[in-house]
Amino acid sequence: EAQVTQNPRYLITVTGKKLTVTCSQNMNHEYMSWYRQDPGLGLRQIYYSMNVEVTDKGDVPEGYKVSRKEKRNFPLILESPSPNQTSLYFCASSSPLGTTYNEQFFGPGTRLTVL
Amino acid sequence: LAKTTQPISMDSYEGQEVNITCSHNNIATNDYITWYQQFPSQGPRFIIQGYKTKVTNEVASLFIPADRKSSTLSLPRVSLSDTAVYYCLVGDYNFNKFYFGSGTKLNVKP
Repeated sequence: EAQVTQNPRYLITVTGKKLTVTCSQNMNHEYMSWYRQDPGLGLRQIYYSMNVEVTDKGDVPEGYKVSRKEKRNFPLILESPSPNQTSLYFCASSSPLGTTYNEQFFGPGTRLTVL
Repeated sequence: LAKTTQPISMDSYEGQEVNITCSHNNIATNDYITWYQQFPSQGPRFIIQGYKTKVTNEVASLFIPADRKSSTLSLPRVSLSDTAVYYCLVGDYNFNKFYFGSGTKLNVKP
């Protein structure tokens, strides 16, 4: 089944404790992206990647890091989480190349609470 | 990146046709218009994408006037399961940066 998976789905942590949220897709997509969603603010893009070893900042990259060493994986790293990073996080992937439209496929989300 | 403006919320009844309009006055020549649907605690799901005139698929239609400064997502005969948030996005066909905005919360009543 074609899908985007995220782990963990739920995480409660404390301020300053480094964490990684993994994202993996099995559709051989070139493009991957991370979003955070907060009440009343919709989805805001954190980072995106056009392909392996190619990453760029979205609208709200502060406090986050990403890496793209393999095509299928795009982990989100919080080196020193703070309470304002408490949010619902979504990973997405797409491959507009060779298609007639640009459709992003989203993962199930990771709900992060930083105490 | 063209910003979009949508109504915050809309109410409808089962069986009605719902039209959600999105304003994008600064749309660029190469920009496409895309709509996503999101249910609570789920990731958004692609509904439809278009460039101009009308696009129709199995779930919705997208109407884009000649000046492309707005677009209208049309959902025929909505049901309770269509209650969700709908997002309008504008960007180049190969756009990398996405701006979802706050979306339109559609509430379908029985």
